[in-house]
Amino acid sequence: SQQGEEDPQALSIQEGENATMNCSYKTSINNLQWYRQNSGRGLVHLILIRSNEREKHSGRLRVTLDTSKKSSSLLITASRAADTASYFCASGQGGGNKLTFGTGTQLKVEL
Amino acid sequence: GAGVSQSPSNKVTEKGKDVELRCDPISGHTALYWYRQSLGQGLEFLIYFQGNSAPDKSGLPSDRFSAERTGGSVSTLTIQRTQQEDSAVYLCASSLERGAQETQYFGPGTRLLVL
Repeated sequence: SQQGEEDPQALSIQEGENATMNCSYKTSINNLQWYRQNSGRGLVHLILIRSNEREKHSGRLRVTLDTSKKSSSLLITASRAADTASYFCASGQGGGNKLTFGTGTQLKVEL
Repeated sequence: GAGVSQSPSNKVTEKGKDVELRCDPISGHTALYWYRQSLGQGLEFLIYFQGNSAPDKSGLPSDRFSAERTGGSVSTLTIQRTQQEDSAVYLCASSLERGAQETQYFGPGTRLLVL
């Protein structure tokens, strides 16, 4: 399967700092979604940005989308220890909106 | 309201045995997806159901994998003659309808270990 790429693979920051994760994808998309995963189990949906949108905010989250570069970024502001998790981008493609996931970024927020 | 549920949470089986994994989508959601997460392959799409339409099976890795969805609700993913490389977390997701901008909500997954 064709996966998107995410960078960095791992990110360690101090509580209160901002965290930025980047994602690239390969084909045309309906939307780009970001998910969080704790302990390798269920995925929690964070935010969805449509292909005709450039920026979206939700609480401490800010997502940007650049379809010309086939890339997206997720910014978490004022990070907390509870934000420690793996973050995945997923591009929704085709009529069924099947998701193609990125490789993930492991975020660690230290006190 | 209740989210997507999956059972069992964990399954250990011997190579060559068949396994069935179950997914209960969110009530009223017409679209249901199966994904797999493994160390070597990351998160991969397996199969997608929408209403009474024929499922999209394009992600199934081999003919040992099959899935069905009865009554437009509960889905079962069956793996026949399991192999060690089938070991992974199998994730189910549902969305309200087939629309291209619908959020997919994931269940907690079934962790399958094939010995």
